[in-house]
Amino acid sequence: EAQLVESGGGLVKPGGSLRLSCAASEFTFRNAWMSWVRQAPGKGLEWVGRIKSKSDGETTDYAAPVKGRITISRDDTKKTLHLQMNSLKTEDTAVYYCSLDRDGRGMDVWGKGTTVTVSS
Amino acid sequence: QSVLTQPPSVSAAPGQKVTISCSGRSSNIGNNYVSWYQQLPGTAPKLLIYDNNKRPSGIPDRFSGSKSGTSATLGITGLQTGDEADYYCGTWDSLSAGWVFGGGTKLTVL
Repeated sequence: EAQLVESGGGLVKPGGSLRLSCAASEFTFRNAWMSWVRQAPGKGLEWVGRIKSKSDGETTDYAAPVKGRITISRDDTKKTLHLQMNSLKTEDTAVYYCSLDRDGRGMDVWGKGTTVTVSS
Repeated sequence: QSVLTQPPSVSAAPGQKVTISCSGRSSNIGNNYVSWYQQLPGTAPKLLIYDNNKRPSGIPDRFSGSKSGTSATLGITGLQTGDEADYYCGTWDSLSAGWVFGGGTKLTVL
């Protein structure tokens, strides 16, 4: 069964940086498009960004609220997805999920999430 | 404020049917696939419907999806107490080049 496991969350001060990781297993990671989705406390789902497979150019798309502050990358040899977040704001506080993105058709595999808290 | 509009809450009795609407525009629902997600309390979202109306393996046929123009609907029949959850619609938005989600609908099975 396909599985995703996020890690790297924690408490960080405003203006700080954090790097999240997402380890994939039981599916062909190198062919997968991957997304990050976050959920602020008590709020709904918010897409953060995605990265296409290497064969599709490994291009990235980012949501407006985080563009310029985040970078999504992947290491296909380690089957791992990364989310580098800089200049963090209190409004970035959320549970961050990685997901297997079927190019707009649906996200059919989700991790359990990792919690990021931005507070002084 | 979410790009896609869902009712904040719906409720129905066990065994009954409920529908959840999701309204968007031509740049998102109107020209892209809609998917639906169930989020049980304290857990990650789970895909219920993809490609507007297809169910992944393991999702019972009590769950159905449809799309018409710039709106989509999730239907759930034979409601069970275990269906109590938040439900989200999602789709790609060609204008913003990103995924957009509805604000979520809390289902209560009375």
